[in-house]
Amino acid sequence: QVQLQESGPGLVKPSQTLSLTCTVSGGSISSGGYYWSWIRQHPGKGLEWIGYIYYSGSTYYNPSLKSRVTISVDTSKNQFSLKLSSVTAADTAVYYCARVVPAAILDYWGQGTLVTVSS
Amino acid sequence: EIVLTQSPGTLSLSPGERATLSCRASQSVSSSYLAWYQQKPGQAPRLLIYGASSRATGIPDRFSGSGSGTDFTLTISRLEPEDFAVYYCQQYGSSPGFTFGPGTKVDIK
Repeated sequence: QVQLQESGPGLVKPSQTLSLTCTVSGGSISSGGYYWSWIRQHPGKGLEWIGYIYYSGSTYYNPSLKSRVTISVDTSKNQFSLKLSSVTAADTAVYYCARVVPAAILDYWGQGTLVTVSS
Repeated sequence: EIVLTQSPGTLSLSPGERATLSCRASQSVSSSYLAWYQQKPGQAPRLLIYGASSRATGIPDRFSGSGSGTDFTLTISRLEPEDFAVYYCQQYGSSPGFTFGPGTKVDIK
Protein backbone atom coordinates (compact mmCIF):
# COMPACT_ATOMS: atom_id res chain seq x y z
CA GLN A 1 0.00 0.00 0.00
CA VAL A 2 1.51 3.29 -1.12
CA GLN A 3 1.51 6.05 1.45
CA LEU A 4 2.45 9.71 1.06
CA GLN A 5 3.23 12.13 3.85
CA GLU A 6 3.73 15.88 3.54
CA SER A 7 6.11 17.75 5.84
CA GLY A 8 7.33 21.29 6.22
CA PRO A 9 6.71 24.56 8.04
CA GLY A 10 3.12 25.41 8.82
CA LEU A 11 3.81 29.14 8.87
CA VAL A 12 5.62 31.16 6.22
CA LYS A 13 6.15 34.90 6.11
CA PRO A 14 4.95 36.95 3.14
CA SER A 15 7.49 37.27 0.30
CA GLN A 16 9.38 34.20 1.51
CA THR A 17 9.55 30.75 -0.07
CA LEU A 18 7.22 27.95 0.96
CA SER A 19 9.01 24.60 1.05
CA LEU A 20 7.32 21.22 1.48
CA THR A 21 8.48 17.64 1.11
CA CYS A 22 6.46 14.54 0.34
CA THR A 23 7.85 11.22 1.54
CA VAL A 24 6.62 8.15 -0.30
CA SER A 25 6.50 4.73 1.33
CA GLY A 26 5.29 1.38 0.07
CA GLY A 27 6.65 2.01 -3.39
CA SER A 28 9.68 3.46 -5.12
CA ILE A 29 9.53 6.75 -6.98
CA SER A 30 12.39 5.57 -9.21
CA SER A 31 10.52 2.49 -10.38
CA GLY A 32 8.81 4.69 -12.95
CA GLY A 33 5.35 4.51 -14.39
CA TYR A 34 3.96 7.25 -12.20
CA TYR A 35 4.13 11.00 -11.86
CA TRP A 36 4.17 12.72 -8.48
CA SER A 37 2.03 15.76 -7.96
CA TRP A 38 1.24 18.68 -5.69
CA ILE A 39 -2.30 20.02 -5.29
CA ARG A 40 -3.57 22.70 -2.94
CA GLN A 41 -6.91 23.65 -1.44
CA HIS A 42 -7.63 27.12 -0.15
CA PRO A 43 -9.65 27.14 3.10
CA GLY A 44 -13.21 26.15 2.37
CA LYS A 45 -12.57 26.13 -1.38
CA GLY A 46 -11.93 23.72 -4.23
CA LEU A 47 -8.82 21.99 -5.48
CA GLU A 48 -6.02 23.58 -7.50
CA TRP A 49 -3.37 21.54 -9.25
CA ILE A 50 0.16 22.92 -8.84
CA GLY A 51 2.34 20.59 -10.88
CA TYR A 52 3.93 17.18 -11.18
CA ILE A 53 7.29 15.52 -11.64
CA TYR A 54 8.60 12.24 -13.02
CA TYR A 55 11.43 10.33 -11.35
CA SER A 56 13.72 11.48 -14.15
CA GLY A 57 13.14 15.07 -13.10
CA SER A 58 10.88 16.18 -15.90
CA THR A 59 8.19 18.56 -14.67
CA TYR A 60 4.93 20.14 -15.74
CA TYR A 61 3.47 23.10 -13.88
CA ASN A 62 0.15 24.89 -13.80
CA PRO A 63 0.75 27.96 -15.98
CA SER A 64 -0.92 30.18 -13.38
CA LEU A 65 1.80 29.31 -10.84
CA LYS A 66 4.68 28.39 -13.12
CA SER A 67 6.75 31.50 -12.50
CA ARG A 68 6.90 30.78 -8.76
CA VAL A 69 6.93 26.98 -8.56
CA THR A 70 9.75 24.46 -8.50
CA ILE A 71 9.15 20.75 -7.97
CA SER A 72 12.14 18.47 -7.49
CA VAL A 73 12.73 14.81 -6.73
CA ASP A 74 15.23 12.97 -4.56
CA THR A 75 15.03 9.30 -5.51
CA SER A 76 17.63 8.31 -2.91
CA LYS A 77 15.26 9.46 -0.18
CA ASN A 78 12.08 8.50 -2.06
CA GLN A 79 10.88 12.07 -1.73
CA PHE A 80 9.73 14.90 -3.91
CA SER A 81 9.50 18.53 -2.95
CA LEU A 82 7.66 21.76 -3.64
CA LYS A 83 9.03 25.28 -3.51
CA LEU A 84 6.71 28.23 -4.01
CA SER A 85 8.42 31.61 -4.00
CA SER A 86 7.22 35.11 -3.16
CA VAL A 87 4.23 33.86 -1.21
CA THR A 88 1.32 36.05 -0.14
CA ALA A 89 -1.73 35.43 2.00
CA ALA A 90 -3.42 34.06 -1.12
CA ASP A 91 -1.08 31.06 -0.90
CA THR A 92 -2.52 30.03 2.46
CA ALA A 93 -3.94 26.58 1.79
CA VAL A 94 -3.81 22.90 2.58
CA TYR A 95 -1.14 21.39 0.38
CA TYR A 96 -1.48 17.78 -0.74
CA CYS A 97 0.95 15.49 -2.51
CA ALA A 98 -0.44 12.70 -4.65
CA ARG A 99 0.55 9.96 -7.06
CA VAL A 100 -0.50 10.25 -10.69
CA VAL A 101 -1.15 7.04 -12.56
CA PRO A 102 -1.61 6.69 -16.34
CA ALA A 103 -4.73 8.46 -17.61
CA ALA A 104 -4.07 11.26 -15.16
CA ILE A 105 -5.64 9.69 -12.13
CA LEU A 106 -4.68 10.86 -8.65
CA ASP A 107 -4.96 7.55 -6.86
CA TYR A 108 -3.03 8.01 -3.61
CA TRP A 109 -2.96 11.23 -1.61
CA GLY A 110 -1.14 12.44 1.45
CA GLN A 111 -3.21 13.65 4.39
CA GLY A 112 -2.41 17.27 3.56
CA THR A 113 -0.62 19.98 5.47
CA LEU A 114 -1.92 23.46 6.21
CA VAL A 115 0.46 26.26 5.33
CA THR A 116 -0.43 29.72 6.54
CA VAL A 117 1.24 32.80 5.09
CA SER A 118 1.36 35.50 7.72
CA SER A 119 3.83 37.86 9.33
CA GLU B 1 -8.50 26.14 -20.81
CA ILE B 2 -11.27 23.70 -20.04
CA VAL B 3 -13.55 24.85 -17.22
CA LEU B 4 -15.60 22.32 -15.27
CA THR B 5 -18.94 23.32 -13.79
CA GLN B 6 -20.69 21.14 -11.24
CA SER B 7 -24.35 21.19 -10.32
CA PRO B 8 -26.06 21.48 -8.05
CA GLY B 9 -23.79 23.24 -5.61
CA THR B 10 -25.51 21.49 -2.72
CA LEU B 11 -27.73 18.44 -2.80
CA SER B 12 -29.85 17.79 0.30
CA LEU B 13 -31.04 14.20 0.46
CA SER B 14 -31.94 11.52 2.97
CA PRO B 15 -30.14 8.20 3.46
CA GLY B 16 -31.46 5.64 1.01
CA GLU B 17 -32.21 8.21 -1.67
CA ARG B 18 -30.56 8.43 -5.07
CA ALA B 19 -28.05 11.20 -5.76
CA THR B 20 -27.33 12.48 -9.24
CA LEU B 21 -24.39 14.87 -9.60
CA SER B 22 -23.54 16.69 -12.81
CA CYS B 23 -20.20 17.82 -14.21
CA ARG B 24 -20.21 19.90 -17.37
CA ALA B 25 -17.09 20.88 -19.32
CA SER B 26 -16.66 24.08 -21.34
CA GLN B 27 -15.37 21.97 -24.23
CA SER B 28 -15.18 18.29 -25.03
CA VAL B 29 -13.18 16.16 -22.62
CA SER B 30 -11.72 12.75 -23.30
CA SER B 31 -13.65 10.25 -21.18
CA SER B 32 -10.35 8.56 -20.44
CA TYR B 33 -9.31 11.62 -18.48
CA LEU B 34 -12.43 12.28 -16.42
CA ALA B 35 -12.42 11.30 -12.76
CA TRP B 36 -14.52 11.83 -9.64
CA TYR B 37 -13.32 12.22 -6.05
CA GLN B 38 -15.02 12.24 -2.69
CA GLN B 39 -13.79 14.48 0.13
CA LYS B 40 -14.91 14.42 3.73
CA PRO B 41 -14.11 17.20 6.22
CA GLY B 42 -10.47 17.17 7.30
CA GLN B 43 -9.56 14.43 4.85
CA ALA B 44 -7.81 14.23 1.53
CA PRO B 45 -9.88 13.55 -1.58
CA ARG B 46 -10.45 9.89 -2.39
CA LEU B 47 -10.60 8.56 -5.95
CA LEU B 48 -14.02 7.12 -6.77
CA ILE B 49 -14.33 6.91 -10.54
CA TYR B 50 -11.80 7.14 -13.36
CA GLY B 51 -12.18 6.97 -17.10
CA ALA B 52 -15.64 8.48 -16.56
CA SER B 53 -17.20 5.15 -15.57
CA SER B 54 -14.68 2.80 -13.93
CA ARG B 55 -14.83 2.37 -10.19
CA ALA B 56 -11.58 2.63 -8.28
CA THR B 57 -10.44 -0.25 -6.13
CA GLY B 58 -12.64 -0.78 -3.09
CA ILE B 59 -15.40 1.61 -4.18
CA PRO B 60 -18.90 0.19 -3.59
CA ASP B 61 -21.04 -0.51 -6.62
CA ARG B 62 -23.66 2.01 -5.50
CA PHE B 63 -21.30 4.57 -7.07
CA SER B 64 -21.43 4.81 -10.84
CA GLY B 65 -20.20 7.25 -13.45
CA SER B 66 -21.38 7.96 -16.95
CA GLY B 67 -21.21 10.50 -19.71
CA SER B 68 -19.07 11.68 -22.58
CA GLY B 69 -18.05 14.81 -24.42
CA THR B 70 -19.05 17.72 -22.21
CA ASP B 71 -21.57 16.10 -19.86
CA PHE B 72 -20.71 13.65 -17.12
CA THR B 73 -22.70 12.26 -14.21
CA LEU B 74 -21.89 10.63 -10.89
CA THR B 75 -24.75 8.61 -9.45
CA ILE B 76 -25.02 7.21 -5.95
CA SER B 77 -27.84 4.70 -6.15
CA ARG B 78 -28.75 4.63 -2.45
CA LEU B 79 -27.07 7.03 -0.08
CA GLU B 80 -25.39 5.56 2.95
CA PRO B 81 -24.56 7.76 5.98
CA GLU B 82 -20.87 7.73 5.02
CA ASP B 83 -21.62 9.13 1.55
CA PHE B 84 -22.45 12.62 2.78
CA ALA B 85 -19.43 14.57 1.57
CA VAL B 86 -18.20 16.89 -1.19
CA TYR B 87 -17.68 15.43 -4.66
CA TYR B 88 -15.30 16.83 -7.26
CA CYS B 89 -14.95 16.03 -10.93
CA GLN B 90 -11.51 16.37 -12.52
CA GLN B 91 -10.22 16.34 -16.06
CA TYR B 92 -6.78 16.32 -17.58
CA GLY B 93 -5.87 18.28 -20.69
CA SER B 94 -2.96 19.93 -22.41
CA SER B 95 -3.20 23.17 -20.50
CA PRO B 96 -3.27 23.76 -17.65
CA GLY B 97 -3.06 20.04 -16.97
CA PHE B 98 -5.39 18.98 -14.21
CA THR B 99 -8.52 21.00 -13.56
CA PHE B 100 -11.18 20.36 -10.96
CA GLY B 101 -14.80 21.35 -10.74
CA PRO B 102 -15.94 23.50 -7.80
CA GLY B 103 -17.56 20.55 -6.09
CA THR B 104 -21.04 19.39 -5.10
CA LYS B 105 -21.82 19.02 -1.43
CA VAL B 106 -24.18 16.19 -0.58
CA ASP B 107 -25.67 16.83 2.82
CA ILE B 108 -28.31 15.24 4.98
CA LYS B 109 -31.82 16.56 4.53
